[in-house]
Amino acid sequence: QSALTQPASVSGSPGQSITISCTGTSSDLGGYNYVSWYQQHPGKAPKLMIYEVSNRPSGVSNRFSGSKSGNTASLTISGLQAEDEADYYCSSYTSNITLVFGTGTNITVL
Amino acid sequence: QVQLVESGGGLVKPGGSLRLSCAASGFTFSDYYMTWIRQAPGKGLEWVSYISNSGSTIYYADSVKGRFTISRDNAKKSLYLQMNSLRAEDTAVYYCARDQWEPPWAFDIWGQGTMVTVSS
Repeated sequence: QSALTQPASVSGSPGQSITISCTGTSSDLGGYNYVSWYQQHPGKAPKLMIYEVSNRPSGVSNRFSGSKSGNTASLTISGLQAEDEADYYCSSYTSNITLVFGTGTNITVL
Repeated sequence: QVQLVESGGGLVKPGGSLRLSCAASGFTFSDYYMTWIRQAPGKGLEWVSYISNSGSTIYYADSVKGRFTISRDNAKKSLYLQMNSLRAEDTAVYYCARDQWEPPWAFDIWGQGTMVTVSS
């Protein structure tokens, strides 16, 4: 199972909105809504930010939103803040009853 | 508080074995599916294995199938990963995580990770 494809890096200025894409296939991301997004700060464990494409866990800021169209999912961060600087990973359930992660995107706040 | 704490990592030679443990607290462990996820140094996340709350249903990534065994002891509130025939490419931080279940395949609680280094 190949990793989902994400851009290596995305940057934005404070207050701006940025979007991270996550591209898979019809056997994973395109075929199921079990798509999640995780935030990981250096040296820390990942944190669940979005589940089932667009749902936010309790306590996650509403500046984070998710969507999906076809084989591509997206995470949008609005009102970018310095604390959002981190690595972000998407994940998807697959037809092989496994989970695949994205390649990861490093977000830089300029 | 809700917490997962991994242990058992260390340095092991290629071909060797290691058993990781993950101790759960602050929630009803027996209600939740659990998973192991790893991250090689400077690399991305890789899903390793998944176990149902009863332990009766188990899934593995192809990269570890036949070499790793996931298990759990609900009475001890603990999750395990027995790793055999270790290879250099198994070197990683290993995280245990809780599946939030509704819906599944999203992991809401993570441990701090335990480092496994496979080297001669």
